[in-house]
Formats: sequence, C-alpha cells, structure tokens
Amino acid sequence: KQEVTQIPAALSVPEGENLVLNCSFTDSAIYNLQWFRQDPGKGLTSLLLIQSSQREQTSGRLNASLDKSSGRSTLYIAASQPGDSATYLCAASSRYNFNKFYFGSGTKLNVKP
Amino acid sequence: ETGVTQSPTHLIKTRGQQVTLRCSSQSGHNTVSWYQQALGQGPQFIFQYYREEENGRGNFPPRFSGLQFPNYSSELNVNALELDDSALYLCASSSKGDEAFFGQGTRLTVV
Repeated sequence: KQEVTQIPAALSVPEGENLVLNCSFTDSAIYNLQWFRQDPGKGLTSLLLIQSSQREQTSGRLNASLDKSSGRSTLYIAASQPGDSATYLCAASSRYNFNKFYFGSGTKLNVKP
Repeated sequence: ETGVTQSPTHLIKTRGQQVTLRCSSQSGHNTVSWYQQALGQGPQFIFQYYREEENGRGNFPPRFSGLQFPNYSSELNVNALELDDSALYLCASSSKGDEAFFGQGTRLTVV
C-alpha cells in the first residue's frame, strides 16, 4: 500500500520568498505524482502532473520534481505571493491502479504581505 | 473550471438517513473516483468506476455504494449515515491514468 507524507504540515513565509514543499511516498512502483492546491472548503485544483518516466514539470512559478529511487517529490514555488496561500496536497498513483490516488495530509501555506 | 461538477454543494442529514451525491465527469473521461476528506486530512479513496463497473475500492463499508451511468456521470450513495460520515466528498474524473480533475466537492454534515 502506498503511503504519502508531506512535510511541513504548515508553513508561513513573507511575500517574495522562494519555498519548497516536500512529499515522500513509500512505494516506488508509482505511476503518476500529482500536486494539487486546495482553498478552504473547496475542491482540488490540479497544479502539476509528473508521470513516472519524467523527472520534473514546470508551470509558471511552480516546478515539481520526482525522484522515484528516493521516494520523494518536491514542489518549488518561486517569488511567493499572498494569493498562493492555500493547502498543497500531493498524491501518488500506483502502477497497479493508476487512477487511484493516495494523498498526503497537505502543507498549509500562508504567505504574508 | 475543471468540467467536473458535483451536486449538491452542501447537505445536512440526520443520523440513520440515506444520501445520494452526484458527479458529472469531464467530457471524454471514462473513469470516476470518489474520495472522502475529513477536516484537516488528505482525501481518502472510496471507490472508482470505469465504464460503469466498480474498479477498485478503498477501506469503506458496504453502506457506501455507487453507480456510473453510460454518459460516465456517477452517484455515491451512503446508507445508515453516521456522525463520522460528515466530510467533504470529492469526485475526480480521469482517463487512462492521465491527469485527474476534481470537482468542488459536496460538504455533508450528519447531525
């Protein structure tokens, strides 16, 4: 069974800072690793998808990397803004059921103006 | 906008009652998955439907059941509601293991 852990659970940074969110998973038979953003009481917004054959993906100020051998993914946010404040979730799907995601508990990010 | 819509957005039910939640998947997606998210936790996989058949189930009792229709929309039914069923229920649509898109969720409160 895939277990996903996210560290830290919460993070507070001043506006403009670059930051890294960490995600670790136990089963290297990963199919996809997907990062999501969740605003309070809302659904999940997909940020980046990394397939198992890829090492990283970039979208605007976001960059996500995947290292299957160490069981880790990182989400890098450049030049953080108050609008980035939200909970960030990573989810890993397995090679054996690639549409089933295992989620971490998320990192709650607060970017202070 | 993800193209995945869920209804209703909020619901209050009494313990012991039954509830049906609905999800319309994104166009072209044949797989729908349901997740339960308790406050402060990550979503937990309930089950998944692929082309109208259940295709995987998480650690949830049989009173959680579902359906997928020919147009790939889906329902989640929960019988004999318990207080612990209070959560945000999320629907995700995908196709062949590609990027999953989530709806805005249904907030269920059991009193």
